[in-house]
Amino acid sequence: DVKVTQSSRYLVKRTGEKVFLECVQDMDHENMFWYRQDPGLGLRLIYFSYDVKMKEKGDIPEGYSVSREKKERFSLILESASTNQTSMYLCASSPRYEQYFGPGTRLTVT
Amino acid sequence: EDQVTQSPEALRLQEGESSSLNCSYTVSGLRGLFWYRQDPGKGPEFLFTLYSAGEEKEKERLKATLTKKESFLHITAPKPEDSATYLCAVQTTDSWGKLQFGAGTQVVVTP
Repeated sequence: DVKVTQSSRYLVKRTGEKVFLECVQDMDHENMFWYRQDPGLGLRLIYFSYDVKMKEKGDIPEGYSVSREKKERFSLILESASTNQTSMYLCASSPRYEQYFGPGTRLTVT
Repeated sequence: EDQVTQSPEALRLQEGESSSLNCSYTVSGLRGLFWYRQDPGKGPEFLFTLYSAGEEKEKERLKATLTKKESFLHITAPKPEDSATYLCAVQTTDSWGKLQFGAGTQVVVTP
């Protein structure tokens, strides 16, 4: 079974804090993705990576950055958290076409 | 512009009452269409991939079909545990592995 894990299920941070969300997959997948999911807006792609140290912007990259130093780990960074970044964050990995999602991190920024 | 539209937005079924969900798409070139199930507060769970018109996939009470313009997810004799939001997503030939998701259909199955 494909296993994608995310470092936290729930996270509460203050405005202006630097926030790290970690994602790890154990299936040696090349591709990894970060999404956010909001009611009425669906799933929106923030960043993705198709190889170690490679990254590409998705549809809503503003306010975020990513890091992929090892194949199995893909980190999402909020440089200075803001209240409009309160959301469910979902990581996914993919061997080629289909994507497998982690359990999600519910981030609240106060 | 590529578009993915799911209907209905919400569906309430009695246990055993079969129904279908629709996912219509307008894309430049389809590489694959994907169905996911999502329970509240959890990540989407991969169900099926369909690659070409006429293809069908089945898993328990779920059956997915694909035409050149749309896909259907048929739920046969649903049970309360089939209650979830069902998402479809498309991958185009020029999208480099990215998925474009529909808004989802929320299904509630009552005993």
